[in-house]
Amino acid sequence: QVQLLESGPGLVKPSQTLSLTCTVSGDSITRGSYYWTWIRQPAGEGLEWIGRFYTSGTTNYNPSLKSRVTISVDTSKNQFSLKLSSVTAADTAVYYCARDSSWALDYWGQGTLVTVSS
Amino acid sequence: EIVLTQSPGTLSLSPGERATLSCRASQSVSSTYLVWYQQKPGQAPRLLIYSASSRATGIPDRFSGSGSGTDFTLTISRLEPEDFAVYYCQQYGSSPQLTFGGGTKVEIK
Repeated sequence: QVQLLESGPGLVKPSQTLSLTCTVSGDSITRGSYYWTWIRQPAGEGLEWIGRFYTSGTTNYNPSLKSRVTISVDTSKNQFSLKLSSVTAADTAVYYCARDSSWALDYWGQGTLVTVSS
Repeated sequence: EIVLTQSPGTLSLSPGERATLSCRASQSVSSTYLVWYQQKPGQAPRLLIYSASSRATGIPDRFSGSGSGTDFTLTISRLEPEDFAVYYCQQYGSSPQLTFGGGTKVEIK
């Protein structure tokens, strides 16, 4: 059974960098065929795709966030990470990591709330 | 960028009724890359339908997906109490590689 678990600070100050990690169990992030993805959801709103990482090293980012986002991977820990720089209150959201099979996001983490506030 | 518009925004129905949810794309979408998710309060989205009409593992057959081109539909044949939730469609495209619709809330009438 594939499981994903997000972790990281729940509170980030404006202008700082948001950093989250997704730990994957039940699958190897180095195995081909899957992208490893970040999505976010502000309270009471819809889902926004942030970006994804493929084992070949390819990354794709949402153009609306591209200048501030970095997704990286730590294969030794079977983890992938999200960094979002220069955050504002508009970046307050529940952040999810997910496995992307290229035809669906088939496994999701439980989500972690990140609040941007001084 | 392909924009997905879901309608209605809210659907008020009773258990046992049929629910029909619409997802309209601003440009043609390959059926292979049209997906539906269910999200309940405080939970992550759950995969329901992929490739427009294929049910994910463990999804009851009261859920069905159909459509092609720019118009896609999720149908719940008979609503069970656990089906009241928010439903999102999603497509794969070029940049951005993945977009979601705004969601349809199915609430108890």
